[in-house]
Amino acid sequence: NAGVTQTPKFRVLKTGQSMTLLCAQDMNHEYMYWYRQDPGMGLRLIHYSVGEGTTAKGEVPDGYNVSRLKKQNFLLGLESAAPSQTSVYFCASSYVRGARTDTQYFGPGTRLTVL
Amino acid sequence: GENVEQHPSTLSVQEGDSAVIKCTYSDSASNYFPWYKQELGKGPQLIIDIRSNVGEKKDQRIAVTLNKTAKHFSLHITETQPEDSAVYFCAASSHNFGNEKLTFGTGTRLTIIP
Repeated sequence: NAGVTQTPKFRVLKTGQSMTLLCAQDMNHEYMYWYRQDPGMGLRLIHYSVGEGTTAKGEVPDGYNVSRLKKQNFLLGLESAAPSQTSVYFCASSYVRGARTDTQYFGPGTRLTVL
Repeated sequence: GENVEQHPSTLSVQEGDSAVIKCTYSDSASNYFPWYKQELGKGPQLIIDIRSNVGEKKDQRIAVTLNKTAKHFSLHITETQPEDSAVYFCAASSHNFGNEKLTFGTGTRLTIIP
């Protein structure tokens, strides 16, 4: 049971390049989330998904797109990277028990630098 | 939307002493309050949580208290040890089915001095 895994662990991009971050979970969780973590700002929600085929915007969605084609995977895309997107990105997932979500489990993070 | 404030941003305590981290929230509908510990180079990990129907919860050396009237909650770590050194985040969420989102505080860097 690997939990939540993220690929890649590190990446350096030039301004304008595109890339996709992959998140995978093997816990059969319904909900998945993408956060970014910047110094002094905590974790901010980018996009989230409440189930396969569904996505929704979080607090800071601009410049990012997401897809959830399979229940276990949640992809975060940057179409045209900007230096302001330099950050550490975390994926998380959680289980839904009735009308109540459970703990969010986090992946190890992807450190992205945009030059 | 929800706003969570966390204090202090840094905290140093002598090994064996207690540490207290405080958070306030703005949305009176929030009813779930987890605390996460993040070690260097790792993702946040849940250490304790509390729901709005309880005022206090303990797990060995860690406890969380909740005051819904004042809209604040606190993390208490007793008998601190070097391995408690990390960044701690509080968060708040309201359980609206299909719309569960956590709002995080800005974190507290806790350093345990041997």
